Amino acid sequence: GNSVTQMEGPVTLSEEAFLTINCTYTATGYPSLFWYVQYPGEGLQLLLKATKADDKGSNKGFEATYRKETTSFHLEKGSVQVSDSAVYFCALSGANSGYSTLTFGKGTMLLVSP
Amino acid sequence: DVKVTQSSRYLVKRTGEKVFLECVQDMDHENMFWYRQDPGLGLRLIYFSYDVKMKEKGDIPEGYSVSREKKERFSLILESASTNQTSMYLCASEPGGKDGYTFGSGTRLTVV
Repeated sequence: GNSVTQMEGPVTLSEEAFLTINCTYTATGYPSLFWYVQYPGEGLQLLLKATKADDKGSNKGFEATYRKETTSFHLEKGSVQVSDSAVYFCALSGANSGYSTLTFGKGTMLLVSP
Repeated sequence: DVKVTQSSRYLVKRTGEKVFLECVQDMDHENMFWYRQDPGLGLRLIYFSYDVKMKEKGDIPEGYSVSREKKERFSLILESASTNQTSMYLCASEPGGKDGYTFGSGTRLTVV
């Protein structure tokens, strides 16, 4: 079956540091890959996505590249801010003809200090 | 923007009660989902629905049922609440395909 493995947190950084959160996956076929972010007390928000190999998703300074050869989708940001403190979830879709169920990693908490 | 609304942010119920968690989306999405989120376990799929009156079991359906009488509304039902169902419950919807979900803000349920 499908599975997603994320690095365990928390990841603790100082403001303006470089961020990498690792994500690897196991899936059949050609899934789409996603990063979601969850701020304290809220639901998940879609951060970025990539639908095929070598695609790069980007949003709000975050980037991730769909690497089929290494089955990875690592999240990066060049300079983090305190407001980026949140839990980040990597996910993949096992798309069927009309719907897709997402399989999530366990989440990685990011804490950014001033 | 698509909006997914969950009726309660916080809920406290007693063991054995029948509990209804409501979710409404306003963008005519075909597919709706219920997940629960627990520390160290991430998000786990309980049930989903790809059409009105259709439902499919997810990874952990035991102790739950669902209802989808109208396209915009997807209800999660705990037939007889137990303390191990204390959790954050997240509803989501999607139009179909590979665009990803839109989530509600979640309902934190405590069963005492």
